[in-house]
Amino acid sequence: QSALTQPASMSGSPGQSITISCTGTSSDVGGYNYVSWYQQQPGKAPKLIIYDVTKRPSGVSNRFSGSKSGNTASLTISGLQTEDEADYYCNSYTTTSTWVFGGGTELTVL
Amino acid sequence: QVQLQQWGAGLLKPSETLSLTCAVYGGSFSGFYWSWVRQPPGKGLEWLGEINHSGSSRYNPSLKSRVTISVDTSKNQLSLQMSSVTAADTAVYYCATGPRYYGSVREDYWGQGTLVTVSS
Repeated sequence: QSALTQPASMSGSPGQSITISCTGTSSDVGGYNYVSWYQQQPGKAPKLIIYDVTKRPSGVSNRFSGSKSGNTASLTISGLQTEDEADYYCNSYTTTSTWVFGGGTELTVL
Repeated sequence: QVQLQQWGAGLLKPSETLSLTCAVYGGSFSGFYWSWVRQPPGKGLEWLGEINHSGSSRYNPSLKSRVTISVDTSKNQLSLQMSSVTAADTAVYYCATGPRYYGSVREDYWGQGTLVTVSS
């Protein structure tokens, strides 16, 4: 299975909104509403911030939101804060009943 | 609060078998699906496979022939074995809940990660 496609890096200024894309196929992202997003700070384990395309786990800021259109899922971070600087990964269920991650996006908050 | 503690050999030689164990404390072992995920140094995440408390498992097709995930419900533990390792298997290995989950609310827990280095 091929990794989902994410931009390698993105940047934004504090207070801005930014959207990270995650492109797959009809066999994964487009076929199921089982897309998750993880935030990973340097040296730490990933942290779930969105699941099932749009749901936020308890305790996750409502500045994080998810959506999907066709074969592309998106993570939007509004009101960027310096603490949002991290790597972000998408993950999707696939037709083979397995899971696949995106390549990851390094977010810089300038 | 669920806590995951993992351990295993951190240095292997090529062709050896990687073996890691993850113990679950403070929660219902049968209430979650469990995954192993790895991350090579400086690279992205890779899902290796998942298992539930009854032992039903699925694996990443690209690694399926080398990976085995098992559970010991009497100890609330899951294990990962990967055979015939090479330098390409050098990574931090994590145990975690999900992505599959029971019920309507997903809970997210991760082990501390174990760096496994493969070198002759």
